[in-house]
Amino acid sequence: ETGVTQTPRHLVMGMTNKKSLKCEQHLGHNAMYWYKQSAKKPLELMFVYSLEERVENNSVPSRFSPECPNSSHLFLHLHTLQPEDSALYLCASSQDDATNEKLFFGSGTQLSVL
Amino acid sequence: EDQVTQSPEALRLQEGESSSLNCSYTVSGLRGLFWYRQDPGKGPEFLFTLYSAGEEKEKERLKATLTKKESFLHITAPKPEDSATYLCAVVRYGGATNKLIFGTGTLLAVQP
Repeated sequence: ETGVTQTPRHLVMGMTNKKSLKCEQHLGHNAMYWYKQSAKKPLELMFVYSLEERVENNSVPSRFSPECPNSSHLFLHLHTLQPEDSALYLCASSQDDATNEKLFFGSGTQLSVL
Repeated sequence: EDQVTQSPEALRLQEGESSSLNCSYTVSGLRGLFWYRQDPGKGPEFLFTLYSAGEEKEKERLKATLTKKESFLHITAPKPEDSATYLCAVVRYGGATNKLIFGTGTLLAVQP
């Protein structure tokens, strides 16, 4: 496999559930990102990791908890979500977290919170 | 406040009918402007980066241009496979990390 892979592709969860989104990049990149994409809204940056260290936390509620065990893997742990958290969650990677690096995105996880 | 506005929201073209998408931006010190393409059910795919006013880049039927206030994505003789959402994003000087500010996109439909 090449590029950025996200699992699962679709997820339906209740507000009391706990679930995790997984992202894996096969590009040898050092920076990984979580973005949220809602209908009619711009992509929102959630978290940035550089060399497994979190360097950006964009005022995201604590019900979203990221984890980066190594430079190839990124997780987003979800608990007690709200219906307004329903969205497409995109993972991305770049060579490093410099401000002009192009991003490589996965296909996303479409999350529905009931 | 940094802002990116894309227009139109949606555009329907006949195959071969050339047109342009607009991305206007307000940012305190532009470091770079990016164009991405997003197909349904997929993540955005990088197209171009522009760094300074007057710069142009081309790829197949697409040409991106940049001024001090806006960028255009020109589509020449489009084909149905060009149908997608086109996203514009900017990054400014002074940011500590790669923090792109995205627009809401233009949904392009090219009919055969």
